[in-house]
Amino acid sequence: DAKTTQPNSMESNEEEPVHLPCNHSTISGTDYIHWYRQLPSQGPEYVIHGLTSNVNNRMASLAIAEDRKSSTLILHRATLRDAAVYYCILRALTLYGGSQGNLIFGKGTKLSVKP
Amino acid sequence: DSGVTQTPKHLITATGQRVTLRCSPRSGDLSVYWYQQSLDQGLQFLIQYYNGEERAKGNILERFSAQQFPDLHSELNLSSLELGDSALYFCASSPRGTGWGGANVLTFGAGSRLTVL
Repeated sequence: DAKTTQPNSMESNEEEPVHLPCNHSTISGTDYIHWYRQLPSQGPEYVIHGLTSNVNNRMASLAIAEDRKSSTLILHRATLRDAAVYYCILRALTLYGGSQGNLIFGKGTKLSVKP
Repeated sequence: DSGVTQTPKHLITATGQRVTLRCSPRSGDLSVYWYQQSLDQGLQFLIQYYNGEERAKGNILERFSAQQFPDLHSELNLSSLELGDSALYFCASSPRGTGWGGANVLTFGAGSRLTVL
């Protein structure tokens, strides 16, 4: 399975943008890049996903490098509520085609937000 | 409220015992996933069911078993419990069984915290 590499931890100040990097140099052409986050004492929650083009939604933006070997999750204005562990995940292909349904989580990046 | 309901929220039991964790998926979702999260192992995928059938298996111990019922709720059975089984157990659901098209977002429940004494 293609693996991702993320920094163990990052710090941000409240109301400033945050750029969370993810390296996935062995990504295959059909792997989608997913981001989930886990707030303290909660289950993981979906943030965003993309394939090749940059993506925006109400929570964040996803910038994908042209060679797809890396991506960056962008929180435009960090709030205290954004303090969480952020996971960058690739969906691997199954033998039967299509991406597997389950997600394989790595260690993620623990984001701290200072007031 | 994510729409995925897990019960019980907390469970304390002794070594050697057996427990059952229950999960009701989000309305309309056909696939259920179980994950275990302990402090030293992070989030580990255990097993996935799609419309009643096992679809994928992860690092699930032989002492653990799961099933998905016709009404799509799922149960995770943990037997011969050991101290190391103490963890948060998360259930997630998704509309489909695969990530075809890249979407098929997983929605997680709040978890069941199991403490084995």
